[in-house]
Amino acid sequence: NAGVTQTPKFRVLKTGQSMTLLCAQDMNHEYMYWYRQDPGMGLRLIHYSVGEGTTAKGEVPDGYNVSRLKKQNFLLGLESAAPSQTSVYFCASYNAGGEQYFGPGTRLTVT
Amino acid sequence: GQSLEQPSEVTAVEGAIVQINCTYQTSGFYGLSWYQQHDGGAPTFLSYNGLDGLEETGRFSSFLSRSDSYGYLLLQELQMKDSASYFCAVRGRTGANNLFFGTGTRLTVIP
Repeated sequence: NAGVTQTPKFRVLKTGQSMTLLCAQDMNHEYMYWYRQDPGMGLRLIHYSVGEGTTAKGEVPDGYNVSRLKKQNFLLGLESAAPSQTSVYFCASYNAGGEQYFGPGTRLTVT
Repeated sequence: GQSLEQPSEVTAVEGAIVQINCTYQTSGFYGLSWYQQHDGGAPTFLSYNGLDGLEETGRFSSFLSRSDSYGYLLLQELQMKDSASYFCAVRGRTGANNLFFGTGTRLTVIP
């Protein structure tokens, strides 16, 4: 099992450009999450999904959109990137035992 | 709203015991989790307390007192590889296992 994978691992964008981050999990988990982590900070929840076809806003959803068309995939989109969105983005999925499994992260820089 | 407080840095000697405290304020509480994150890595699950008391997993133990809104992570027989950041996170009663993370404690283990 690969667990949770994220694509790409690194990306540099210019202000105003758009991109999509892909998260995939092969553990058949219902719940998936997108977080961002800034230096010296904890993880903040952007959006989450409790199942295929559902999404909901987390703590810091502005400037991001998500889609969960397939159970194993959760996409995070930035329509018009801003320097404030420079961060490390982590995807996670959840099992019933109370543990969230995290992907390796995507380091995004917006110039 | 939700807030968590944990020390920003802790230093301990190899082979010793260290305790990382976490106090929280939250409008709905369903449990306290602990995650470890090495530099450049993804958070990995260590422990979860849904009820008051001590949970033990090998060298790591976690404690929760819901009446005091307080928990701690105890690391015994410290090893150099335990140098990492440790995050407490509260699980809210949203039904989606959403986690709200503290800002983390950076543990440095010295010889």
